[in-house]
Amino acid sequence: EAQVTQNPRYLITVTGKKLTVTCSQNMNHEYMSWYRQDPGLGLRQIYYSMNVEATDKGDVPEGYKVSRKEKRNFPLILESPSPNQTSLYFCASSSPGQGMQETQYFGPGTRLLVL
Amino acid sequence: DAKTTQPNSMESNEEEPVHLPCNHSTISGTDYIHWYRQLPSQGPEYVIHGLTSNVNNRMASLAIAEDRKSSTLILHRATLRDAAVYYCILRDWGSGYALNFGKGTSLLVTP
Repeated sequence: EAQVTQNPRYLITVTGKKLTVTCSQNMNHEYMSWYRQDPGLGLRQIYYSMNVEATDKGDVPEGYKVSRKEKRNFPLILESPSPNQTSLYFCASSSPGQGMQETQYFGPGTRLLVL
Repeated sequence: DAKTTQPNSMESNEEEPVHLPCNHSTISGTDYIHWYRQLPSQGPEYVIHGLTSNVNNRMASLAIAEDRKSSTLILHRATLRDAAVYYCILRDWGSGYALNFGKGTSLLVTP
């Protein structure tokens, strides 16, 4: 089954404790990205990657890092989480071969609470 | 980027058709119109997209106005499972592959 998986699905942590949220897709997609969703602000892109070793900032990259060492994985790293990073996070992937007709697949989400 | 305007919420009865409108008066000639939806406690999922002609797939139909300044997502028979937030999104090369979700329309389906 074609899917995007995220782990963990729920996470409670404390300020300053480094964490990683993993994202993996089994569709051989080149493009992967991370969004955060907050009430009243909607979904906003954090980082994206066009392919292995090619990452770039989205609209709200501050406080986050990413890496793309393998095509299927795109982890989101919070080196020193703060309470304002409490949010619902989604990973997405797609194959951009069809230009602006490409469709994206989203993971189930990771709900993060930073105390 | 061209913007979209959608009603905040709509309500429908189960098994009746639902027409979800989207206004995009500043759309450019090369913008694709995409619709995604987000079911409760799930990630967004693709519904349908089009450029100029009306489109149909197993989930829905997309009706695009002749001047392309508006479009309508049509669910032919709403089910309880269709209760979700529906997002109308314009795609153009200027915004890259990031999806600008906006606030969407929250669809309530009642039995």
